[in-house]
Amino acid sequence: DGGITQSPKYLFRKEGQNVTLSCEQNLNHDAMYWYRQDPGQGLRLIYYSQIVNDFQKGDIAEGYSVSREKKESFPLTVTSAQKNPTAFYLCASSTRTAVTQYFGPGTRLLVL
Amino acid sequence: AQSVSQHNHHVILSEAASLELGCNYSYGGTVNLFWYVQYPGQHLQLLLKYFSGDPLVKGIKGFEAEFIKSKFSFNLRKPSVQWSDTAEYFCAVKMGGGSQGNLIFGKGTKLSVKP
Repeated sequence: DGGITQSPKYLFRKEGQNVTLSCEQNLNHDAMYWYRQDPGQGLRLIYYSQIVNDFQKGDIAEGYSVSREKKESFPLTVTSAQKNPTAFYLCASSTRTAVTQYFGPGTRLLVL
Repeated sequence: AQSVSQHNHHVILSEAASLELGCNYSYGGTVNLFWYVQYPGQHLQLLLKYFSGDPLVKGIKGFEAEFIKSKFSFNLRKPSVQWSDTAEYFCAVKMGGGSQGNLIFGKGTKLSVKP
């Protein structure tokens, strides 16, 4: 069953804590993306990676970090520097030459 | 700055009514255009896309969209909506040719269909 999985579905963060959101894909896609979705704001790009061991900042990268050690995996860390982390986080992937992106089910991050 | 505008934040229709959701973008060059849909509790799904050719594109579930280059628009239409079309709809644009460049999303339009 091919697709993109994100875990956990809900995540709670305490003040000053770093948390990591998981994104895995078995579509053999080279490119992976992280978006943040806020009500009425649409999707905004946080980070993207076109190939293993390489990634670039998107429009709202401050307070976030990523790694891309494996083709299938693109974890996102929400650091304590992100002052407003409550949001719905979406991971997506695509082939390197194609434009169409396919999305995972998302992780909702809440601050305690 | 490059941007994508969706004019309606929330649209409420009765079943069988016709639907048109507006999408405009600000870029004068080559574009790839997408409509995504997010049903309640489900992940974002591709509804339809336009890369080139016939500007009238047909997607899943009876949706279609028309690319009008002179108006920088890619409006989504459906002749007769159903209650199951209740969802949030996002227009997305890749500005520039080739495979480089990222998608820019509109802020979304929430569609509520009354049975």
